[in-house]
Amino acid sequence: SQKIEQNSEALNIQEGKTATLTCNYTNYSPAYLQWYRQDPGRGPVFLLLIRENEKEKRKERLKVTFDTTLKQSLFHITASQPADSATYLCALDMRSYIPTFGRGTSLIVHP
Amino acid sequence: NAGVTQTPKFQVLKTGQSMTLQCAQDMNHEYMSWYRQDPGMGLRLIHYSVGAGITDQGEVPNGYNVSRSTTEDFPLRLLSAAPSQTSVYFCASSSTGATNEKLFFGSGTQLSVL
Repeated sequence: SQKIEQNSEALNIQEGKTATLTCNYTNYSPAYLQWYRQDPGRGPVFLLLIRENEKEKRKERLKVTFDTTLKQSLFHITASQPADSATYLCALDMRSYIPTFGRGTSLIVHP
Repeated sequence: NAGVTQTPKFQVLKTGQSMTLQCAQDMNHEYMSWYRQDPGMGLRLIHYSVGAGITDQGEVPNGYNVSRSTTEDFPLRLLSAAPSQTSVYFCASSSTGATNEKLFFGSGTQLSVL
């Protein structure tokens, strides 16, 4: 069956370091992959979308890679700040409408 | 800029009660959807709509009804609440529903069924 896997363990890093989050998928070849940020008690907020023919996408301190051979996307936050602490969700186009979401990985940036 | 508005923010129900979760968007989006989010389960699609008068089932539709009489509104009805429906519910919309479009989410409704 099709699966989206994100590390369920929280990622703890020190301020100023680069945070790297992983999204793996199986039994599927998505055309698009999206990343969202979710703060406690709030709805997810869209961050970046990357297409299958794009290797990398950048937006300010954020960088997303998409490796269709490894079936993996990496989400990087450079020069991380405590304000970056949140849960990050990846989503794939497994259905005709609306992305299918992974369970998310919690990022905690320590001052 | 209101975006996607959900009401209420919190609700406590007794088993067997019915209620409607409201969702409205002011972006003229054709596509609207409902998710539930449970600890360790991620976001799961309940129902979605690609336009007024059109609805379809998602991954976990049982126990829920929807209708889409206008472009702006997409209410979610719980017909007979069960403890298994205790969850956080999110409404989301996008312009046309194409999978390369970003979703706009509401702030959620936290529902407890006792």
